[in-house]
Amino acid sequence: QQQVRQSPQSLTVWEGETAILNCSYENSAFDYFPWYQQFPGEGPALLISILSVSDKKEDGRFTIFFNKREKKLSLHIADSQPGDSATYFCAASDNSAGNKLTFGIGTRVLVRP
Amino acid sequence: DAGVTQTPRHEVAEKGQTIILKCEPVSGHNDLFWYRQTKIQGLELLSYFRSKSLMEDGGAFKDRFKAEMLNSSFSTLKIQPTEPKDSAVYLCASTRDTYAEQFFGPGTRLTVL
Repeated sequence: QQQVRQSPQSLTVWEGETAILNCSYENSAFDYFPWYQQFPGEGPALLISILSVSDKKEDGRFTIFFNKREKKLSLHIADSQPGDSATYFCAASDNSAGNKLTFGIGTRVLVRP
Repeated sequence: DAGVTQTPRHEVAEKGQTIILKCEPVSGHNDLFWYRQTKIQGLELLSYFRSKSLMEDGGAFKDRFKAEMLNSSFSTLKIQPTEPKDSAVYLCASTRDTYAEQFFGPGTRLTVL
């Protein structure tokens, strides 16, 4: 049973376009949602995160939109660059369960120049 | 500050062997995590330590996987005996606090023949 689901599994966009990555979850107790970026041969690294008390978080070209009622969130990558080509993981945690993260399966993004 | 260190980066084992993977977390971090990463299952939690105490040992991975935290700056993951289905990338991560970033090491790529 996957508690955090991501779609699509892979996504190709042209340089300059906005890439939209989707994530949904089942556990209503989840209150923290980080997105991690992973390049081949490296470990994941935190890109941006949001707490469930907010509905939007922006950091440069990266924006998280969060809908608590529908248990959905999305990551928008504006003005996509070839250097953004990577795998993106949506994750979630429940503060009462410690700092353990539950990860989605990931979305592989390819940005074509 | 040094990041999370993992050794070895690559490991090849014969079926039935015992292998030990090593991890040094970021200095001062209280929580340490071991994950297994595969294309099909994504990131799966194997073990979770808080201040050297085992908080979670990954359920399905209990029988052949054993993680230990010998001191606050060193952890091992033992797989005994190895099976071909254990071929994956094993990631170690650490964090210092609730809602804080999990810092990942580069991973150990294990191939079991």
